[in-house]
Amino acid sequence: EIVLTQSPGTLSLSPGERATLSCRASQSISSVYLAWFQHKPGQAPRLLIYGASTRATAIPDRFSGSGSGTDFTLTISRLEPEDFAVYYCQQFSSPPHTFGQGTKLEI
Amino acid sequence: QVQLQESGPGLVKPSQTVSLTCTVSGDSIASGGFYWSWIRHHPGKGLEWMGYIYYSGSTYYNPSLKTRLTISVDTSKNQFSLKLSSVTAADTAFYYCARYRAGLLPHLDSWGQGTLVTVSS
Repeated sequence: EIVLTQSPGTLSLSPGERATLSCRASQSISSVYLAWFQHKPGQAPRLLIYGASTRATAIPDRFSGSGSGTDFTLTISRLEPEDFAVYYCQQFSSPPHTFGQGTKLEI
Repeated sequence: QVQLQESGPGLVKPSQTVSLTCTVSGDSIASGGFYWSWIRHHPGKGLEWMGYIYYSGSTYYNPSLKTRLTISVDTSKNQFSLKLSSVTAADTAFYYCARYRAGLLPHLDSWGQGTLVTVSS
């Protein structure tokens, strides 16, 4: 099973700042198999990025993804108030399609 | 636009089996091309991938749940279902169904709103 480790666990920032979230895989995976989600309480997770760097439909361009091998990054260039949520990475390299434990982005 | 909707009991007693159904609209499960998944979110914890099914009935389960989990599909009703047996309080969670687009850039592209299952006597 591929384990994804996200850091930091909690990130405290202010609107307008830049957020950098990390996801590290326990073994090398192709970048095509890495996705990022945003999750708010009471809502379904929202797909942000797939293939490590491809933005999903209607996702603002302040969200960007990068990385390869074992290290992947989600960057939010200028935080908006609605961006404060929990973010998860997920791998599809091999089942089970595991998630990271999440990074809570708080004001 | 595809839509998924979970349904099932909100409260289940320990040791019983919880059964949830996901009804799909705007897409035909039988058309193939997608896998149909279950994911859960324990309150205060992270997301857990549970498993998926193809329209043919082919499945893959998370090994941590394999002995208790069954996912099935009913293409005539355009639904797929989850049965989790011998539940405990640790199975209290929000349960989501989602469509998995496999292929070149795989991802879960559509989700239901989720349903809360509480395990309590």
